[in-house]
Order: sequence, then C-alpha cells, then structure tokens
Amino acid sequence: DADVTQTPRNRITKTGKRIMLECSQTKGHDRMYWYRQDPGLGLRLIYYSFDVKDINKGEISDGYSVSRQAQAKFSLSLESAIPNQTALYFCATSALAGGETQYFGPGTRLLVL
Amino acid sequence: DAKTTQPTSMDCAEGRAANLPCNHSTISGNEYVYWYRQIHSQGPQYIIHGLKNNETNEMASLIITEDRKSSTLILPHATLRDTAVYYCIVRRNAGNNRKLIWGLGTSLAVNP
Repeated sequence: DADVTQTPRNRITKTGKRIMLECSQTKGHDRMYWYRQDPGLGLRLIYYSFDVKDINKGEISDGYSVSRQAQAKFSLSLESAIPNQTALYFCATSALAGGETQYFGPGTRLLVL
Repeated sequence: DAKTTQPTSMDCAEGRAANLPCNHSTISGNEYVYWYRQIHSQGPQYIIHGLKNNETNEMASLIITEDRKSSTLILPHATLRDTAVYYCIVRRNAGNNRKLIWGLGTSLAVNP
C-alpha cells in the first residue's frame, strides 16, 4: 500500500466551484506539504504544516486554504476555482528529524473549466 | 538557500553510467545538496543527499567537489526506467523555514 495517498487522482470542475483535495499518509510523519506543478515548471509550495496545530503559507497560497485534521491528514481547498488553478497537485510528507527528505503522493490532476 | 544550475537535458545509453552535473556556487557551509527525480508526472522521488562527503546508496552516488560549489549525481548502470527529470536542490537541514526551491531540473533520456 502507498505511504502517501491523494484523492481524487483526477478532477474536472467549473470556475467558481469549491473543491477539496485530500492527502493521507501512513508514514507517521509530522510534516506535510502541498505543491502545485504547471507544465514545464518546477514544483511550487502552496502550504505546509509542521504538526496538527501549525499551518504556514508557501510561495503561492492565494486562492487556497488548508486543513490539518490529524497528523495523517492534510486537505487543500480551492474556495472558488479559477482556470489558472489548473495544474498537477502533490502532497508530500517529511519527518521532524528527516531534514528535507520528502515523500510524495501520486498527484491530483485538476482541470478548471 | 543557494541557487542551483543544471543542464536542461541529457542523453545516456542504456547500461552506461549517467552523470548529472549541478552547480551551486553560492552554497553555504551548512547547506546540504539533495537530489530528487520525477518520472513522467508521478510524484517526485528522493534519491540521495550529502553535505561534503561523497555518498552512495542503492540508487545512486553523489560526488561533491571539495569546494562544494558543484556536485554530480551518478547512476552507475542507467536503465530505461531511469528516464526522468532530475532535480538538484540545496537546502539547510536546520531551522523552521522549510521551503525546497525546485528548479526546472535536467531531463534525462536513457536510450536503448
């Protein structure tokens, strides 16, 4: 079984809709991250969380919100989706003592029409 | 965090060693070099990291120059499954400002 899972794997939505992307991990890691990747570009950090009570903005947090419901779960919400949020979204985890060794989920491909 | 520079693309014959260079001339003394790879839109995969000594694991070897301004990731016997984008990232292993800055990486094509 995968250590980091993301649901859904693919999603098509319309402009203005609210959607949630979910991430779960069984690695027991404290730290979780949400990234987006656009074609031809590197990954950009949206939000990250060091523990259940900690939420931090990344490079591109505008238009997104997150919830850390438990150590193992970290959700990303698009309150009102817009077409330029069409991208590949990745969740990642890392251990407190693990430096920057991050473990990634399989990604969610989002299309906003 | 120091910036890294990598070639945009490289080719390698199957079974041969793939040597992927990375320049990080502004690296600080406490900054580690990390390598990840991403196979065709899958989630990136950690490969290896090091501070100043050469490192080897089951996937690859990392050679860091003595002045630490550049490094080379070596895949000793490249296979078709090693075709991927390889990212070199420099990051401090301390502090709470944990942001990996991802560049565009090197697209490695392993050819039969």
